[in-house]
Amino acid sequence: DADVTQTPRNRITKTGKRIMLECSQTKGHDRMYWYRQDPGLGLRLIYYSFDVKDINKGEISDGYSVSRQAQAKFSLSLESAIPNQTALYFCATSDSLTDGNTIYFGEGSWLTVV
Amino acid sequence: QQQVKQSPQSLIVQKGGISIINCAYENTAFDYFPWYQQFPGKGPALLIAIRPDVSEKKEGRFTISFNKSAKQFSLHIMDSQPGDSATYFCAAVRGFNKFYFGSGTKLNVKP
Repeated sequence: DADVTQTPRNRITKTGKRIMLECSQTKGHDRMYWYRQDPGLGLRLIYYSFDVKDINKGEISDGYSVSRQAQAKFSLSLESAIPNQTALYFCATSDSLTDGNTIYFGEGSWLTVV
Repeated sequence: QQQVKQSPQSLIVQKGGISIINCAYENTAFDYFPWYQQFPGKGPALLIAIRPDVSEKKEGRFTISFNKSAKQFSLHIMDSQPGDSATYFCAAVRGFNKFYFGSGTKLNVKP
C-alpha cells in the first residue's frame, strides 16, 4: 500500500460543481502539501499545512480551499470547478523532525472539468 | 515569477549517451537543491540532492553539478538507459519550509 494515498485517482466533473480530493498518509509526517502539475509549468504549490492547526496559502490558492482533518488527512476542495482547473493534483508530505528537505508525493489525482 | 528555471523542456538521448538538464535560480537564500524523477502515472520521487557547500555530488550514474556563483545547477545522467525515460524536476528549498520546483524536463532515452 502506498504511504501517501489520494482519492479519487481520476475524476471528471462539470463546471460549477464542488469537488473534493482526499489525501491520507501513513508516514507519520507532520507536514502536508497540495501541488498542481500542468505541462510546461511544473509543480505549483496550492496549499500547505505544517500541523493540524496550521494552514498556509501557496502560489496558486485562488479557487481552492483545504482542510486538515487530522495529522494524517489533508483534503483539497474546489468550491466551484472551472475548466482551467483541469490538471494533475498531487498530495505530498514531509517530516520536519527527521528530514524536512525531502518531500514524498502520492500517485496523483487526475481532475478534468468539462 | 518562477523561482527556478529549468531547461530543456524535453530531451531525446540515445542509449549510452549523456543526458544533461539545467536549472537556474535567483534567491541566494535557497539551501538545498534536490532533483525528483517522475515516471508516467506516478508521483515524483527524490533522485539525488545537493547542498550549496559542495560543487558536485555523484550517486551511481547520476551527478549533480552545482555552481554557486552562477546560481546554476545541473543533472547529468551518464550511460543513459531506456529505463531512465521519465520527467525530471529540479527544485530549490529554503529552510525546510518551501519547495520551489522547475517546470520539468521530459527525457526519452532511445534504445
